[in-house]
Amino acid sequence: GDSVTQMEGPVTLSEEAFLTINCTYTATGYPSLFWYVQYPGEGLQLLLKATKADDKGSNKGFEATYRKETTSFHLEKGSVQVSDSAVYFCALDAGNTPLVFGKGTRLSVIA
Amino acid sequence: GAVVSQHPSWVICKSGTSVKIECRSLDFQATTMFWYRQFPKQSLMLMATSNEGSKATYEQGVEKDKFLINHASLTLSTLTVTSAHPEDSSFYICSARDLWGGGTGNTIYFGEGSWLTVV
Repeated sequence: GDSVTQMEGPVTLSEEAFLTINCTYTATGYPSLFWYVQYPGEGLQLLLKATKADDKGSNKGFEATYRKETTSFHLEKGSVQVSDSAVYFCALDAGNTPLVFGKGTRLSVIA
Repeated sequence: GAVVSQHPSWVICKSGTSVKIECRSLDFQATTMFWYRQFPKQSLMLMATSNEGSKATYEQGVEKDKFLINHASLTLSTLTVTSAHPEDSSFYICSARDLWGGGTGNTIYFGEGSWLTVV
């Protein structure tokens, strides 16, 4: 079945550091890919998405490119802030079915 | 983006009572909604898929008589935890599929989550 694998955390970075959270997937067909962010005590917020190969999703300084050849959707940000501390989930949507999530990566940014 | 609202955000109930959590899509119609449970520092565990006008599809191991799901309209799904026990205490999150997405495409949006504490 479809699956998502993302790097295990926690990830601790200093403010203004470069962030990469790796995400790879396995899927039949052509899924859409998402990154969601969960701040402490809250639900999930859509951060960005890409619906087809080579699409780049971007939002709030975060970017991820849908790479079909490497089945990856790595999340990047050039300069993280303390307010980016959260749990990040990579997810795959194969159609009219529930999302397939990675296990989440906890990011802590220290000043 | 589209908005999904959950209510209540926090609820405390006595053991043996039932509690209802509502999930509403505020600016789109959702034929499909999903209910999740999240344990501390873990990923989301899918409990069931709720389809408007039909019975919910439960994941293996989820007691459908304990976690009643009703999706009576295109904008509302409810989760009722019946005869709640302390082990049911958890963070419950719903999500809804926006099929048309207002131009952004088929996307799933999440509610803010509901903290349930059973005492």
